[in-house]
Amino acid sequence: EVQLVQSGAEVKKPGESLKISCQGSGYRFDTYWIGWVRQMPGKGLQLMGIIYPGDSDIRYSPSFQGQVTISVDKSINTAYLQWRSLKASDTAMYYCSRLLAGERAEYWGQGTLVTVSS
Amino acid sequence: DIQMTQSPSSLSASVGDRVTITCQASQDIRKNLNWYQQKPGKAPKLLIYDASNLETGVPSRFSGSGSGTDFTFTIRSLQPEDIATYYCQQANNLPPSFGQGTKLEI
Repeated sequence: EVQLVQSGAEVKKPGESLKISCQGSGYRFDTYWIGWVRQMPGKGLQLMGIIYPGDSDIRYSPSFQGQVTISVDKSINTAYLQWRSLKASDTAMYYCSRLLAGERAEYWGQGTLVTVSS
Repeated sequence: DIQMTQSPSSLSASVGDRVTITCQASQDIRKNLNWYQQKPGKAPKLLIYDASNLETGVPSRFSGSGSGTDFTFTIRSLQPEDIATYYCQQANNLPPSFGQGTKLEI
């Protein structure tokens, strides 16, 4: 059974750093793209970027280039989303997903709620 | 990058109604268009891929059509459990990008 399990909810202060994770199981992790999706409170889905664990090829959406870092450790089947300096506007639910051929998200993690507040 | 424009942004319908949502791409994306359903507090769920293919296990009342820049998503006979927000997503260019969503209410 394919599963994507994300790390737990986080509460952070502005300016702090953060790294959240998404661990895949039940499939060959290095042969499917992993995508990160932001959903701000009451808003729609925004694809932040995608990574191919096989060769760490990363494609950022223009709005998120330079704002976050996507990485992967394929030895432990885990993808990461990282911020160096959080802002209040980073408060959102973040989902990871497995994309078939980098195109459609067939499987999703349960989401990680990130709250940034002073 | 490719912009996806969905309409309407919200829609009120009754059980049994036929519901149609449209999605327009800012450039030709062939048939590389997917549709997702998101219920409150849940992760999105893939319903339709490649414009018109029904994902395994998805009820046949859901359908999609279109190619190029103009796409349509249809629910043939609305059921109470279909209350959700629906998103289109282009898959022609990496990374994929979503439309702004259509909130469906009864």
